[in-house]
Amino acid sequence: SQQGEEDPQALSIQEGENATMNCSYKTSINNLQWYRQNSGRGLVHLILIRSNEREKHSGRLRVTLDTSKKSSSLLITASRAADTASYFCATASGTYKYIFGTGTRLKVLA
Amino acid sequence: NAGVTQTPKFQVLKTGQSMTLQCAQDMNHEYMSWYRQDPGMGLRLIHYSVGAGITDQGEVPNGYNVSRSTTEDFPLRLLSAAPSQTSVYFCASSYSSGTAHSYEQYFGPGTRLTVT
Repeated sequence: SQQGEEDPQALSIQEGENATMNCSYKTSINNLQWYRQNSGRGLVHLILIRSNEREKHSGRLRVTLDTSKKSSSLLITASRAADTASYFCATASGTYKYIFGTGTRLKVLA
Repeated sequence: NAGVTQTPKFQVLKTGQSMTLQCAQDMNHEYMSWYRQDPGMGLRLIHYSVGAGITDQGEVPNGYNVSRSTTEDFPLRLLSAAPSQTSVYFCASSYSSGTAHSYEQYFGPGTRLTVT
C-alpha cells in the first residue's frame, strides 16, 4: 500500500520556469523526504523536512509541509534541463519503514 | 568512499533458480534496506536492518530472505525466482537514531533482474 502519492504524475515545462509537485500521505509522520532519480539510476536525497517544520529551502528547492492536510509540495525554481528526472516523496512514521510515493516525472525542455 | 555498491548490475534467471543480490556500504551506517521498483509503483520496501544481526520485514517480503552478519553487508536472497520478481532492486543505507529514523538514505545504483 503506497502511503505517498505524487501529483502530477508527469510534468513538462520550459527551462527557466518553476516546477511544483505535490505529495499526499495517509498517516502521521516523523518526517518527509524528497528524492530525485535520473533515468536508470539510484535515488538521490534532496531534502528532509520534519513534522514540526512548515517550510525548508535548499538552493533552488523549496519544500512545504502541511501536516493538517497530510501533504507536501516541492518547488524547483528556475528549472534547468539537468533537472529532468523523476521525483519521489518518502515518509517515515516512527518506525524504520519508509514508504515511497509513485513519483512525478519532470521534463525540462531547453 | 565508494558509498553503496550493488552487484550484479544485471541478472537473468530462470523460474525456480535462486540467487543472492549483494549490497555493501562503507559509511558505517546502522540502517540498511532493500527496495524493489516496478513501473508506475514507486519503490516498495522488501526488508530492512537496523544493525548487525537485526532484520525485519517491509511491505513486500515474500520470496526474499536477508541476513546481516556485518555492518557493511546486507545481501538479499531470492529463494526460488518467479516472473513476478522481475524488477529493479535498490539497496540503501543511512544512519539511524533510536526509534525515529530521520536521516537521508543513500542508494546504490540498482540491480536489474529479469526472471523468465
